[in-house]
Amino acid sequence: GAGVSQSPSNKVTEKGKDVELRCDPISGHTALYWYRQSLGQGLEFLIYFQGNSAPDKSGLPSDRFSAERTGGSVSTLTIQRTQQEDSAVYLCASRGLAGTPGSTDTQYFGPGTRLTVL
Amino acid sequence: AQTVTQSQPEMSVQEAETVTLSCTYDTSESNYYLFWYKQPPSRQMILVIRQEAYKQQNATENRFSVNFQKAAKSFSLKISDSQLGDTAMYFCAFMKYNNNDMRFGAGTRLTVKP
Repeated sequence: GAGVSQSPSNKVTEKGKDVELRCDPISGHTALYWYRQSLGQGLEFLIYFQGNSAPDKSGLPSDRFSAERTGGSVSTLTIQRTQQEDSAVYLCASRGLAGTPGSTDTQYFGPGTRLTVL
Repeated sequence: AQTVTQSQPEMSVQEAETVTLSCTYDTSESNYYLFWYKQPPSRQMILVIRQEAYKQQNATENRFSVNFQKAAKSFSLKISDSQLGDTAMYFCAFMKYNNNDMRFGAGTRLTVKP
């Protein structure tokens, strides 16, 4: 597609339930990022994928958070046993390499998924 | 660790006037990138302007320009001829050269008044 897409755009869940958030990066982009943005706050780095390398998980806040990237394209962020403090907007971004659309050092963001945990 | 500080949580400007948003950062690196992103109410993060630290010339993109002071570790954004559509959160961001993650400031909420 033309840009990064994320689904769903909004998700309301009950405390203790698991949720999956999806990100479709720009075609050809090998780097993919997940960020969390709490209300009125800046962006908090969660996890980074680059090609077939092991992901950088240093930003994941707890072991309830995990992410996968299948086939080097689509990524899914999973939050298990959700808590109210998980409520936030979850943003995905992708970045290209030389020869692909977009600058190699610029991240292009999706519209985010607003997660509300009741 | 790199930190990015935006000291102005909120700002407002009259339409057609000029406004400057401040950003400072802390790093021991010599090669890095700096960015300004805009996030309107739609939540979509949009790249406004980027600067490579090794370039002394300040980046400009139409009405948007930066004042990059490498020694002072300052990277302010100037918006000229402000438009109503400029109303948004503005985030300053830092990324080391050839590195994975980008560090963001807490943001400045800009309101352009008619």
